[in-house]
Amino acid sequence: EAQVTQNPRYLITVTGKKLTVTCSQNMNHEYMSWYRQDPGLGLRQIYYSMNVEVTDKGDVPEGYKVSRKEKRNFPLILESPSPNQTSLYFCASSSPTGRGVETQYFGPGTRLLVL
Amino acid sequence: AQSVAQPEDQVNVAEGNPLTVKCTYSVSGNPYLFWYVQYPNRGLQFLLKYITGDNLVKGSYGFEAEFNKSQTSFHLKKPSALVSDSALYFCAVRDRFLYNQGGKLIFGQGTELSVKP
Repeated sequence: EAQVTQNPRYLITVTGKKLTVTCSQNMNHEYMSWYRQDPGLGLRQIYYSMNVEVTDKGDVPEGYKVSRKEKRNFPLILESPSPNQTSLYFCASSSPTGRGVETQYFGPGTRLLVL
Repeated sequence: AQSVAQPEDQVNVAEGNPLTVKCTYSVSGNPYLFWYVQYPNRGLQFLLKYITGDNLVKGSYGFEAEFNKSQTSFHLKKPSALVSDSALYFCAVRDRFLYNQGGKLIFGQGTELSVKP
């Protein structure tokens, strides 16, 4: 089954304790993104990757890091989490069509609470 | 700057009645428009998209959306609502002439649809 998986699905942590949220897709997609979802704000892109070893900042990158060492994986790293990073996080992937019409496929989400 | 507005935080509909979830957009060029649905404790699922051509787009689960360029709107519709349609709906846009940031979408704030029996 074609899918995007994320782990963990739920995470409670404390301020300053480094954490990693994993994302994996089995569709051989070149593009991958991380979004965060906050009430009243919709989803906002944190980081994106156009291919292996090619990553760049989205709209809200502060406090986050990513890496893309393999095509299927795109982990999100919070080096020193803070309470304002409490949110619902989604990983997404898609494949370029050359016309910008590709559909993004989303993972199930990771709900993070930073105390 | 690109933006999407969903003017209603919540829409309440009786089962069997038609439903409309509103979306307006602002982009500098011609848009690609999308609707996604989020069921409780689930990820976002793609419903439909407008690329070009016919202004009425049909999607999954009996939903359709009408692109109106003059009103810069892309409202989601369904002729007869089901209780199982209750979910959070997101409209999203991509400007086809901007650099493709990994397929980045600009999302509206979401509309909670509640369908009562």
